Amino acid sequence: GESVGLHLPTLSVQEGDNSIINCAYSNSASDYFIWYKQESGKGPQFIIDIRSNMDKRQGQRVTVLLNKTVKHLSLQIAATQPGDSAVYFCAVTYNFNKFYFGSGTKLNVKP
Amino acid sequence: SQTIHQWPATLVQPVGSPLSLECTVEGTSNPNLYWYRQAAGRGLQLLFYSVGIGQISSEVPQNLSASRPQDRQFILSSKKLLLSDSGFYLCAWSVGQNTGNQPQHFGDGTRLSIL
Repeated sequence: GESVGLHLPTLSVQEGDNSIINCAYSNSASDYFIWYKQESGKGPQFIIDIRSNMDKRQGQRVTVLLNKTVKHLSLQIAATQPGDSAVYFCAVTYNFNKFYFGSGTKLNVKP
Repeated sequence: SQTIHQWPATLVQPVGSPLSLECTVEGTSNPNLYWYRQAAGRGLQLLFYSVGIGQISSEVPQNLSASRPQDRQFILSSKKLLLSDSGFYLCAWSVGQNTGNQPQHFGDGTRLSIL
């Protein structure tokens, strides 16, 4: 199986600062990783993904870092905005049909 | 572009009543389809997934069942709801046909309350 944990249930940042959300997984066979954003009352929204043959991937204002040695995944959000306030989940899989989700980190952006 | 629809958005049902939640996907063919449940403040628990019409895999033994009567339709059902069935139910789809790891895309869920 797989066990996925997030390091902080809540993260508060000032608007304009960078945010870092972390995720740890247990199964070294896991080879595909996704970050989702979930706003209140909505379904999770895909942000960015990374495969195990990469260490880093960048999107618009977001970067995902993968450290397979310590089984750690992080999401960096640059210049955090109020619209970034949401719960962020990582999802991990070694079986393409089954993802394991962390419990989520709630990001609060202070104006 | 692809879209996923779930309904109803909210549902209040008495204990012992039946359940039917529906999910449909547009803009893609032969998707993989998934049902998840999310407890308050928790991650997502996979309930069922389907790689094709009539093909259902169950992940967690429970009071629920799933069916896929058409390629882009996924239904979650129960004959008799329990209090413990309360939660936020999410449907998701991903590209199918053994294309390897693909992201799952979620609908906006159904909030189910059992009284």
